[in-house]
Amino acid sequence: NAGVTQTPKFQVLKTGQSMTLQCAQDMNHNSMYWYRQDPGMGLRLIYYSASEGTTDKGEVPNGYNVSRLNKREFSLRLESAAPSQTSVYFCASTLSGVGTYNEQFFGPGTRLTVL
Amino acid sequence: GENVEQHPSTLSVQEGDSAVIKCTYSDSASNYFPWYKQELGKRPQLIIDIRSNVGEKKDQRIAVTLNKTAKHFSLHITETQPEDSAVYFCAASKVNRDDKIIFGKGTRLHILP
Repeated sequence: NAGVTQTPKFQVLKTGQSMTLQCAQDMNHNSMYWYRQDPGMGLRLIYYSASEGTTDKGEVPNGYNVSRLNKREFSLRLESAAPSQTSVYFCASTLSGVGTYNEQFFGPGTRLTVL
Repeated sequence: GENVEQHPSTLSVQEGDSAVIKCTYSDSASNYFPWYKQELGKRPQLIIDIRSNVGEKKDQRIAVTLNKTAKHFSLHITETQPEDSAVYFCAASKVNRDDKIIFGKGTRLHILP
């Protein structure tokens, strides 16, 4: 049981380049999330997917797109990277659903640097 | 939307002493309040949570209290040890199908020898 996995672990991009961060979970969770973590800013929600086939914006969605490919996988795409997107990106998942309490399980993170 | 404020941003305590971290939330409909611990270079992990129908919960050296009327909740760590050094995040959530968890900005806890 791998839990939540993310690829890549590290990435360096030049301004204007694009890339996709991959996330997968094997816990049969319904909801998946993408956060970014910057020093002193905590965890800020970029996008989330409450269930397969749905996605919603979080606090800081500008410059990002997401795809919930299936129940297991949730990808985050940067179409034209900017230095302000330098951050650590965490994917997370929860069982979710009526009556469930949402412990979030996090992936190991992707450290992205945009030059 | 929900807003979670967390204080202090940094906390240093002597090993063996107690540490208290406080959070306030804005949405009275929030009913689930987890606390996450993040060690340096690692992912956040849940350490304790409390539901809105409970005022206090303990797990060994850690405890969480909730005051729904005042909309604040606190994490208490007793008999602190070096391995307690980490960043702690509080969060608030509503239990329904499309809920989100909103995090505070974190508290960096230093345990001094």
